[in-house]
Amino acid sequence: GAGVSQSPSNKVTEKGKDVELRCDPISGHTALYWYRQSLGQGLEFLIYFQGNSAPDKSGLPSDRFSAERTGGSVSTLTIQRTQQEDSAVYLCASSRGLQETQYFGPGTRLLVL
Amino acid sequence: AQSVTQLGSHVSVSEGALVLLRCNYSSSVPPYLFWYVQYPNQGLQLLLKYTSAATLFKGINGFEAEFKKSETSFHLTKPSAHMSDAAEYFCAVRLGGTSYGKLTFGQGTILTVHP
Repeated sequence: GAGVSQSPSNKVTEKGKDVELRCDPISGHTALYWYRQSLGQGLEFLIYFQGNSAPDKSGLPSDRFSAERTGGSVSTLTIQRTQQEDSAVYLCASSRGLQETQYFGPGTRLLVL
Repeated sequence: AQSVTQLGSHVSVSEGALVLLRCNYSSSVPPYLFWYVQYPNQGLQLLLKYTSAATLFKGINGFEAEFKKSETSFHLTKPSAHMSDAAEYFCAVRLGGTSYGKLTFGQGTILTVHP
């Protein structure tokens, strides 16, 4: 079946602009996660959604970052007023539940100029 | 807090040689441990995961990992390296308590395989 998909695959933006990154989880997966992979910080957790529960936002680095998940499926990660330090690969993952294996998408490579 | 440490950011082996990638965890309770592989410009792919009631876990592509509680280790091995194994490997632990869904990753080990 189809895996986790993310779009765009690459995004170049100017400092100060807003960007939206999209994630389409595997059908039927109730949990969805966002991670960030950067040279300086490695792989770090950002946020996860599980069913209708309130999301765990504890990994979001600042209030410029937000995410939503509509209809329990697609999720959008929004970064407002982008900074150069936001340049990274943003990875999305999904799982059947919080205790289940997380399957990752190919990522969105964000470059802030 | 639970964490994982990967010893060696780069490992280089000859084709056909043993691969050993090290991972140690810090945890006072049985952890949920994973190994993921990342090929260039791709996402993470699950290699194998720890499940209770066993100590040796076999994954894809001939990799396996042994859970040693006394050493708090979950090292990844493969008896004979292949050129296609060249990638970055991440050890990860799933947190518990109120952070149940999060994965915490090690810093990664880049594996180079030379002819």
